[in-house]
Amino acid sequence: GENVEQHPSTLSVQEGDSAVIKCTYSDSASNYFPWYKQELGKRPQLIIDIRSNVGEKKDQRIAVTLNKTAKHFSLHITETQPEDSAVYFCAKKAGGYQKVTFGTGTKLQVIP
Amino acid sequence: NAGVTQTPKFRILKIGQSMTLQCTQDMNHNYMYWYRQDPGMGLKLIYYSVGAGITDKGEVPNGYNVSRSTTEDFPLRLELAAPSQTSVYFCASSFPPADRLAQETQYFGPGTRLLVL
Repeated sequence: GENVEQHPSTLSVQEGDSAVIKCTYSDSASNYFPWYKQELGKRPQLIIDIRSNVGEKKDQRIAVTLNKTAKHFSLHITETQPEDSAVYFCAKKAGGYQKVTFGTGTKLQVIP
Repeated sequence: NAGVTQTPKFRILKIGQSMTLQCTQDMNHNYMYWYRQDPGMGLKLIYYSVGAGITDKGEVPNGYNVSRSTTEDFPLRLELAAPSQTSVYFCASSFPPADRLAQETQYFGPGTRLLVL
């Protein structure tokens, strides 16, 4: 129940197309789901997050959806741009605990 | 604020040597973390701390030790370096939000690249 599975591991899209990355988990305690972006050689940075009391959250071209029943959450990037190329990590955390478990990452390549 | 800083940026160790990776944050964050990231892989939690004097093991603590004598500093110690410890090490910190609906951002340091030969 500790792991979070992330798919796909690599994703190539044409500039302007949408990209979707999906993560699944199995425990019932997780209630906070952040997404981090890591550019090549840089540190991970939070881009969006969602709590279990919300089904969807948007911030300009990025959105995250959460299906608590099915225990999966997804990152959606619309109108992709070359600067979106990076590795994206999903993560989960249970309330009251400070351990954050990360997915294995998705390498997104946006082709101009 | 400098945020989270780590030293050194890069280090080569011989098998069996020891070293300390330094991590400092100036945001008065209670929580601090050490992760390792192997090439092409995700982040694995080594140790974490919820406050000065309190540390706990993460997923992959073997071969490492930590201490947290102050709020600002959270050094990671490798006692007998092994090739399997070749990795990039990230320190991170966060502050528990007063509002449970607020963002719980983890702020990462720039990383330390360690090569054990």
